[in-house]
Amino acid sequence: DTAVSQTPKYLVTQMGNDKSIKCEQNLGHDTMYWYKQDSKKFLKIMFSYNNKELIINETVPNRFSPKSPDKAHLNLHINSLELGDSAVYFCASSQEARGQNEQYFGPGTRLTVT
Amino acid sequence: GNSVTQMEGPVTLSEEAFLTINCTYTATGYPSLFWYVQYPGEGLQLLLKATKADDKGSNKGFEATYRKETTSFHLEKGSVQVSDSAVYFCALSDMGAGSYQLTFGKGTKLSVIP
Repeated sequence: DTAVSQTPKYLVTQMGNDKSIKCEQNLGHDTMYWYKQDSKKFLKIMFSYNNKELIINETVPNRFSPKSPDKAHLNLHINSLELGDSAVYFCASSQEARGQNEQYFGPGTRLTVT
Repeated sequence: GNSVTQMEGPVTLSEEAFLTINCTYTATGYPSLFWYVQYPGEGLQLLLKATKADDKGSNKGFEATYRKETTSFHLEKGSVQVSDSAVYFCALSDMGAGSYQLTFGKGTKLSVIP
């Protein structure tokens, strides 16, 4: 029944490692997003994908790469992790054809880099 | 560019008190406006929305009116409960870079005490 799911919920890793976070939505939406929420709760969009095509790419380091094997999935791969990457990462999806961009969020992945 | 400014928290209220969280926006087009809520340890949930001027969004006793003349979308509730304790985000949606993009305010943490 979960609309937008993410795995893992918690991820603790060391600097320099490579890690991935997975996201799946079962809402049939056209567009998926990744957000980063910092320790002060500020939300910043990182990427969005529409029908497997990247349409927004904010100024994030190229160590971050979104990968979408199909419309229902948008995974986030991070290379060479740094301390500053520690944050909560949220996946979201929306049905863009509605034009009102109501987004449905996943529960978040808390990434801690040590 | 688009931006959202909301009152900084934290806000602490007693149960049954009146709540107002101010939100103003800057947008180049005609955005849709949203309030999202984030309960502790969870992802964001849509609380209410308004898609054109003078529309009023409402849900769970919360209300907000889209005021184009003052570029505002203030959140109100007549009588808060302990269960309303959460972080509230004001956001706007506007077409940019070929897709609708959500721009969030910095969030306002609300704590309701018995």
